[in-house]
Amino acid sequence: AQSVTQPDIHITVSEGASLELRCNYSYGATPYLFWYVQSPGQGLQLLLKYFSGDTLVQGIKGFEAEFKRSQSSFNLRKPSVHWSDAAEYFCAVASYLNTDKLIFGTGTRLQVFP
Amino acid sequence: KAGVTQTPRYLIKTRGQQVTLSCSPISGHRSVSWYQQTPGQGLQFLFEYFSETQRNKGNFPGRFSGRQFSNSRSEMNVSTLELGDSALYLCASSFESVAKNIQYFGAGTRLSVL
Repeated sequence: AQSVTQPDIHITVSEGASLELRCNYSYGATPYLFWYVQSPGQGLQLLLKYFSGDTLVQGIKGFEAEFKRSQSSFNLRKPSVHWSDAAEYFCAVASYLNTDKLIFGTGTRLQVFP
Repeated sequence: KAGVTQTPRYLIKTRGQQVTLSCSPISGHRSVSWYQQTPGQGLQFLFEYFSETQRNKGNFPGRFSGRQFSNSRSEMNVSTLELGDSALYLCASSFESVAKNIQYFGAGTRLSVL
């Protein structure tokens, strides 16, 4: 069965530190891959997405993600975290055979200390 | 351009009742998806509608149903409510394809079942 795994439920970092959030997927072929962010009391916002081409994808708010086919991973990174980045982050995938059904991981809650 | 609007924002119901949630997509968007968000489960896909037709369906019981109108507005209905239906219900819209176009989320309807 197709699945998305975010191994880290909760991550705490200091402001200014680097960040990496992990995402692994289980699909038969390269799917569409997404990262969304949900700030408290708000809906989800798309940070970036990947389907093909350069495996390093740049997104909004200084985030980037790298697709690694050999590891079935699509990890989200940011070189220097700001306090405003505290939120919940969701990885999601859609199969290239059905691009209209998005499957989400369970999310990683990011806490940022000053 | 107005964003995705969900009404009501909050609902309190009792077990056995039914509830209808509404979603108005961004003008011009024809695809509307619904998700259930609960702590620990993340976002679970309910269904997706395109041009008044259900195009995709998640693994939820038949108590969960939806529809889409000719103006792309969508409603979802939950009958015979159970305590476990307490959740944040999110609606999202995209132009045509969920994965190929950007999907925009509403702020959600928080349903509490007592």
